[in-house]
Amino acid sequence: AQSVTQLGSHVSVSEGALVLLRCNYSSSVPPYLFWYVQYPNQGLQLLLKYTSAATLVKGINGFEAEFKKSETSFHLTKPSAHMSDAAEYFCAVSDQGGSEKLVFGKGTKLTVNP
Amino acid sequence: GAVVSQHPSRVICKSGTSVKIECRSLDFQATTMFWYRQFPKQSLMLMATSNEGSKATYEQGVEKDKFLINHASLTLSTLTVTSAHPEDSSFYICSARDDRKAQYFGPGTRLTVL
Repeated sequence: AQSVTQLGSHVSVSEGALVLLRCNYSSSVPPYLFWYVQYPNQGLQLLLKYTSAATLVKGINGFEAEFKKSETSFHLTKPSAHMSDAAEYFCAVSDQGGSEKLVFGKGTKLTVNP
Repeated sequence: GAVVSQHPSRVICKSGTSVKIECRSLDFQATTMFWYRQFPKQSLMLMATSNEGSKATYEQGVEKDKFLINHASLTLSTLTVTSAHPEDSSFYICSARDDRKAQYFGPGTRLTVL
């Protein structure tokens, strides 16, 4: 079985500060890992994904994440937060076997203060 | 980019009635679509996997007779909530998988059962 743990249901940063959203996964098979962003009353938008190629993955809107197998982590970072980054962020895992079932973490709400 | 639409975006219905939600892939064909449910301030829970031309696969604990899924074409899947009750009120989100196995999410449907 696969699972995802997102540490911190709420993260608050100042505009221009570093954004760090934590995600740890559990998987008995090599995983695919994803970060999605959700704005209020909207669906999910894919920020980036890890599919066993480069361990440092660059996504949209200046976000990136690093896959660390030894730490079973896939933390999301952005060097400088913008007000528009305020949203809910979900980390998700699926197996590489092709089922494509996504298992989501509980989400982290990011607040950006002016 | 790939676009997935959902209709309606919001629906309010009386208890005991049935509600149909449509999920369409607008610019690609999707042999597989997924239906998720999201409770307020919680993560997405996979309800079922919808495969074109075959029966849907439901996750454990999801009543197949209550949540009817039909995937009649490569661009359309429907979720019908039968005999809806207030506890069925939720945000329902679909996703569609393209031939490169990437998932694209719809904007969601807010269901309120009175």
